[in-house]
Amino acid sequence: ETGVTQSPTHLIKTRGQQVTLRCSSQSGHNTVSWYQQALGQGPQFIFQYYREEENGRGNFPPRFSGLQFPNYSSELNVNALELDDSALYLCASSLSGRARTDTQYFGPGTRLTVL
Amino acid sequence: EDQVTQSPEALRLQEGESSSLNCSYTVSGLRGLFWYRQDPGKGPEFLFTLYSAGEEKEKERLKATLTKKESFLHITAPKPEDSATYLCAVLSYGGSQGNLIFGKGTKLSVKP
Repeated sequence: ETGVTQSPTHLIKTRGQQVTLRCSSQSGHNTVSWYQQALGQGPQFIFQYYREEENGRGNFPPRFSGLQFPNYSSELNVNALELDDSALYLCASSLSGRARTDTQYFGPGTRLTVL
Repeated sequence: EDQVTQSPEALRLQEGESSSLNCSYTVSGLRGLFWYRQDPGKGPEFLFTLYSAGEEKEKERLKATLTKKESFLHITAPKPEDSATYLCAVLSYGGSQGNLIFGKGTKLSVKP
């Protein structure tokens, strides 16, 4: 069984730039959620994708956007980067639908630094 | 507003010294409560899911329990490798789909 993978591991960007982070879900899972974790804090929910559509969103501005592909992998895009966007970005996968499980399994994260 | 509070923020134990971590929550209908372990710079590792008051789950030296207002993670005879940050999260029926609400975590250090 393949776990959740994320790329890249680390990323350094400058303020105002755009960034794309990638996630492959655990085998057998069809739902992907994205979280932002600042240092010393718990993860904060950005949004969730199921059947290639956003079906839940936290308190993040529209410059945070995403995609889900037919193979259930996903991208998180952040435009007009700000210094406060520096954080660990986590992807989590789960199973929705008739055989739904609420447990989300996390990937290793992408560390984004905005200078 | 759904909320999770974990205590203590940090806990130092000697190897073999048992203790408990607390997770207090307020939600508009609990759909599930989750415990994760997180090592520095890594993603959270799933430990337990609890769904209803009175439920208990065990795994090696860890045991999670749930009441209507809080959950405890009991650590029996901890070892240095149990050192990590333990995160509690809730999923509510009233919240956004898939939105896990996390506490800030308890940082556990176990000294040999």
